[in-house]
Amino acid sequence: RKEVEQDPGPFNVPEGATVAFNCTYSNSASQSFFWYRQDCRKEPKLLMSVYSSGNEDGRFTAQLNRASQYISLLIRDSKLSDSATYLCVVRASGRDDKIIFGKGTRLHILP
Amino acid sequence: DTGVSQNPRHKITKRGQNVTFRCDPISEHNRLYWYRQTLGQGPEFLTYFQNEAQLEKSRLLSDRFSAERPKGSFSTLEIQRTEQGDSAMYLCASNQHGELFFGEGSRLTVL
Repeated sequence: RKEVEQDPGPFNVPEGATVAFNCTYSNSASQSFFWYRQDCRKEPKLLMSVYSSGNEDGRFTAQLNRASQYISLLIRDSKLSDSATYLCVVRASGRDDKIIFGKGTRLHILP
Repeated sequence: DTGVSQNPRHKITKRGQNVTFRCDPISEHNRLYWYRQTLGQGPEFLTYFQNEAQLEKSRLLSDRFSAERPKGSFSTLEIQRTEQGDSAMYLCASNQHGELFFGEGSRLTVL
C-alpha cells in the first residue's frame, strides 16, 4: 500500500459547484496533515493544515478521520481560479520528520 | 528575498555527465528536504536534513545521488553519471516545525 494515496482525477467541475477530494494514508502513527496546492509549472504552496477537529478557511473545509486514516478537502462555490492540482501531505511522527506527498488530484473548474 | 532559493533553475546535460544543484533554505529553518517531481506526479521524497545531519534517504536515491548540508545552511544534491530517467524537477523545501516552504525548483533535462 502506498504511503499516501489520492485519486489523480481530473475532476471537471462547473463553476459554483462543490467538490470534495479524499486522501488515504498508511502510517497510523502519522501526526500532521496538510493540503497543498500546485499550479502548473509552479512549486507547491500550503493551502491549509488539517486538524483533528476539522477546520475551515473560507470556502475550504478540511477533515481528518484517524480511525479510517483518511483526509478530505471540500471546496464550496468553486471558482475558476481553484483550477490546480491538490496535494495531500502527511508528516510522520516523532523523530522521523519525513513529509510525504500524494500524487495529487487535478481539478479543472469549467466556466 | 528571504524565501527558498534554488539554482540553477534549468540544467540540460548529456547522459553520463554529473550535475549538482544547490538549495539555500530560509535562514532560520533547521530542516531541509529534497524532492523529485515528474510530470503528472506529486513530489517524491528523496532525503532530508536536520541541521547538517542527513536523517533519511529514500530508496529512490540510488548510489549515483548524494546530498550534503555541510554547515547546516545550504544543501547540494549531486547526480553522477546522469541517465535519461533522471530528467525531472528537483524541489527543495525547508521548515522549522510546520509549513514546508518550497523553492521554485531545478529542472533537469538529460539528453
